Amino acid sequence: NAGVTQTPKFRVLKTGQSMTLLCAQDMNHEYMYWYRQDPGMGLRLIHYSVGEGTTAKGEVPDGYNVSRLKKQNFLLGLESAAPSQTSVYFCASSYEPGWDSGANVLTFGAGSRLTVL
Amino acid sequence: AQSVTQPDIHITVSEGASLELRCNYSYGATPYLFWYVQSPGQGLQLLLKYFSGDTLVQGIKGFEAEFKRSQSSFNLRKPSVHWSDAAEYFCAVGVLITGNTDKLIFGTGTRLQVFP
Repeated sequence: NAGVTQTPKFRVLKTGQSMTLLCAQDMNHEYMYWYRQDPGMGLRLIHYSVGEGTTAKGEVPDGYNVSRLKKQNFLLGLESAAPSQTSVYFCASSYEPGWDSGANVLTFGAGSRLTVL
Repeated sequence: AQSVTQPDIHITVSEGASLELRCNYSYGATPYLFWYVQSPGQGLQLLLKYFSGDTLVQGIKGFEAEFKRSQSSFNLRKPSVHWSDAAEYFCAVGVLITGNTDKLIFGTGTRLQVFP
């Protein structure tokens, strides 16, 4: 049981290049999230998905696009990378909404470190 | 607006000493509160959570946290710190977005350093 797997783990881009980060989970989770982590700012939600074929914006969505074509995968795309997008990106997933059930505990991937020059 | 504040950016303790990491939240409704730990180069791992009931919750690795509604706090404690506890700790509050959709808002983290 791999949990949440992110690829690639490291990537260096030049300004203006594009790339896609892949998040895959094998827990049959409905919800998936992309966060970015920056020093002194904690984790901020970029986009999230409540199920296959659906996506929604989080706190800091500008400059990113996402897709959830398959339930197990959540892709984060940068169409034209900027130095401000240098960060560590974390994907997370959870089973269902609704805190009362206690089931909505996020499982995180190990992170993808992106540097934009 | 909802927010989480961790006032201590960096804490240093000696191995075997007690530990308390502070967390204050701002949220109008009943909060759902979490503590996560991040070891270097790793993702975040859930330490414990508070949804309702007993305000003192126990977590993994000997950690506990106490929810105090009057102080809007959810401080993390451990009676005796081990060198392996050196990591970054994040407090988070669960926030309802729309309907039954929710998300976590994280604090900025507290980095714990443990001296032998």
